[in-house]
Amino acid sequence: DAEITQSPRHKITETGRQVTLACHQTWNHNNMFWYRQDLGHGLRLIHYSYGVQDTNKGEVSDGYSVSRSNTEDLPLTLESAASSQTSVYFCASSGQEGTDTQYFGPGTRLTVL
Amino acid sequence: EDQVTQSPEALRLQEGESSSLNCSYTVSGLRGLFWYRQDPGKGPEFLFTLYSAGEEKEKERLKATLTKKESFLHITAPKPEDSATYLCAVQGNSGGYQKVTFGTGTKLQVIP
Repeated sequence: DAEITQSPRHKITETGRQVTLACHQTWNHNNMFWYRQDLGHGLRLIHYSYGVQDTNKGEVSDGYSVSRSNTEDLPLTLESAASSQTSVYFCASSGQEGTDTQYFGPGTRLTVL
Repeated sequence: EDQVTQSPEALRLQEGESSSLNCSYTVSGLRGLFWYRQDPGKGPEFLFTLYSAGEEKEKERLKATLTKKESFLHITAPKPEDSATYLCAVQGNSGGYQKVTFGTGTKLQVIP
């Protein structure tokens, strides 16, 4: 069955370190998204991609970057981790532009000390 | 700016006690309204997509309805396994940008 996976599931790091969170999907979806989820906030979009070599900033993109070298993967990099980036991160994918359902991965809980 | 407000924030029901969750929204041209279920420590799980006012969709004990300003998730005779946080989200016409705006969710607890 097609799925979307994230790794690691849990990560503890220190302020200032670079961190990369992995996202891999086997849906063969063109569109991929990264969100963060914090108490009191809905899911907030960090970055998104409509296809290979395409990346775009979402509403909370400062301090984050992504790259898309193939259809299946969209890694999220925190260039210099900050305590404000402690959160749960979700990757999602969807099949086409327009109204289309986004399917989510299991999430990565990141703690920045 | 698109907005989604869900109410109540939390709901406690006895097993078998039917109720409804509300999702009020403002969006510039609705392209779709989504309902997800999220269990603790897991990612959101897709339930329904509604596209236009008057549309209804059902799945087991859940039924989602849509008007021009709000959506309801009706839960009929809930069971303890229906306990979860239910998220509502909308996608509007934003020049091709596939932006989806999420609400903060309703945490449902069903007591045996």
